[in-house]
Amino acid sequence: GAGVSQSPSNKVTEKGKDVELRCDPISGHTALYWYRQSLGQGLEFLIYFQGNSAPDKSGLPSDRFSAERTGGSVSTLTIQRTQQEDSAVYLCASSLRADYIYNEQFFGPGTRLTVL
Amino acid sequence: GNSVTQMEGPVTLSEEAFLTINCTYTATGYPSLFWYVQYPGEGLQLLLKATKADDKGSNKGFEATYRKETTSFHLEKGSVQVSDSAVYFCALSDIKGSNYKLTFGKGTLLTVNP
Repeated sequence: GAGVSQSPSNKVTEKGKDVELRCDPISGHTALYWYRQSLGQGLEFLIYFQGNSAPDKSGLPSDRFSAERTGGSVSTLTIQRTQQEDSAVYLCASSLRADYIYNEQFFGPGTRLTVL
Repeated sequence: GNSVTQMEGPVTLSEEAFLTINCTYTATGYPSLFWYVQYPGEGLQLLLKATKADDKGSNKGFEATYRKETTSFHLEKGSVQVSDSAVYFCALSDIKGSNYKLTFGKGTLLTVNP
């Protein structure tokens, strides 16, 4: 079956512009996660959704970052007034349920964001 | 809070060499432990997992044993192949509120030469 998909695969933007990153989770997965992968920083948790609700936004680095999920499916991560330090690979993952102990997360290929 | 520490790379080995990538963790509860792998140009994939102390996870010749006494989950493979070249991430899943959250290590780049 189809895995997690993300678009665009690459995004180059100018400092100060807004960007939107999209994630399509695996059908039937109720939990969706956003991570940021920077060189030397590993995987940094940003936010997760259970259904359309976001119980934990603790990883969002600033109020320029926001995310929403509609219909329990597609999610959009928005970064306003991008800065050069926002350059990273943004990964999306989904899992069956966030309250399941094994919580195997399936990852998408990521969106590489470059802020000039 | 929870944290995962894994050996820094890069690690470069010859084909058929023995591999160990060390991983230790700090957690307040009783986490499940995972190894994820990221092959070049691909997304992360679950390699193996262990859900309680003394469990051994295994897949594709890789193994890791959940050691509660040493809070470790070291990844091993007896004979690596060129196709094992990838970035390996150790992770733990622990409960926060009513949901589980994954905490990852920084990743270890493995390069296997023919």
